[in-house]
Order: sequence, then C-alpha cells, then structure tokens
Amino acid sequence: EPEVTQTPSHQVTQMGQEVILRCVPISNHLYFYWYRQILGQKVEFLVSFYNNEISEKSEIFDDQFSVERPDGSNFTLKIRSTKLEDSAMYFCASSEAFGFNEKLFFGSGTQLSVL
Amino acid sequence: SQQGEEDPQALSIQEGENATMNCSYKTSINNLQWYRQNSGRGLVHLILIRSNEREKHSGRLRVTLDTSKKSSSLLITASRAADTASYFCATNTGNQFYFGTGTSLTVIP
Repeated sequence: EPEVTQTPSHQVTQMGQEVILRCVPISNHLYFYWYRQILGQKVEFLVSFYNNEISEKSEIFDDQFSVERPDGSNFTLKIRSTKLEDSAMYFCASSEAFGFNEKLFFGSGTQLSVL
Repeated sequence: SQQGEEDPQALSIQEGENATMNCSYKTSINNLQWYRQNSGRGLVHLILIRSNEREKHSGRLRVTLDTSKKSSSLLITASRAADTASYFCATNTGNQFYFGTGTSLTVIP
C-alpha cells in the first residue's frame, strides 16, 4: 500500500538553527499538509498546499516557517530560526483531492528537539 | 476554533468490553473522520461519516453523527489489547482538517 514517508525520523538542533523536514507524499496525491503535535497534546494544523502554493495556514505558521515542493516528489517544511517551543512531532500528510470523501494519509513523523 | 474535543481524555477497559468515545465540534462540517494513533506514530484513518449521514459501521467500529448537537461518537465493540491507542476526531471544512485533543484508550488483556 502506498505511504507517506518522512525523513529524518528524529532531528536534534540548537536554538536559532534552521531545519528542513522532508516528506514524500503518495505519488498521485495533490494536496499536502503539515501538522505538529507537542508531546501528549492535540494535533495542530500548520499549513495546506495545493498546486504549488499555500492553500491555507494557521496562526502558528508565521514567517519563520516555509514550505516548498522543490521537485515532483518532495514536500519540505523549513523552520528558519528554531525556538525551544518548536520542539514537537511534525507530521506530513497528503490527500488525493479535497472534497466530500477525502481522507488524510499521514507519515510517521519527524520528532524535532530544539536544545 | 473549529477543533473538535474528544471525551473522555483517557479510557481504560478490559479486553472484550466496548469502548465509546465522543467528539464535539463548533461549526458546520462537510464530514467528520476518526483517526487512530499508536504511540509515536502517524495517524491512521479509521472511518469517515458525511454530514448527511447519521450512522456508519466498519467492522467493529460504529460511528454516529448528530449535526444538530455538533457531536459524534465512536464505538469499538469487543475491544482487543491491540486497540490500545489514541483516537482523534477530525472535522473537514475548507482546506483544513481540524483534529481534536484525542482520547487515549487502554485495553487491558
């Protein structure tokens, strides 16, 4: 069964450093998402992406965040200057379309630890 | 906020018993979905119920939706130890899926 893959599975970085989280969505999917989950807390929406541009973003997704689809397969989340509070599990997800019956397929996540 | 809220936050039952989790949300939706998350893993889609449906079944899962009360419930019948996980409801509207805070289910063998 096709799956969303994320790399790396764990990332440790120093505060102020830039990190890039990578995702390979399912190949025929058109909508891409980033979510994050702070340990034991809710799953928070960050951004959705379609047709090479951001469809919607949350208040969390401020100027330090950016997303890119640099080629036909990868979807990346960049955090420019990491803060301690950015420590969380980051999930990439994709869906085939957006409509009445669509569901999300999630990757296994990247655990980001900012020291 | 559109986010759903699950209730209870945590639930512990014996294997073979039924588990019921509830979800409330705030605004109109296209559909409501339930996802499962094993510890440290991504979310896995379980079942989707459209806004014009009231009940749906899939194997041991039964989902109900009451749009007048803006609430949904997920029933897992004849629970197994392998059902131990966190369960999240997600509402679908616009270009976002909003997730709740989750119910942590522990099934004791």
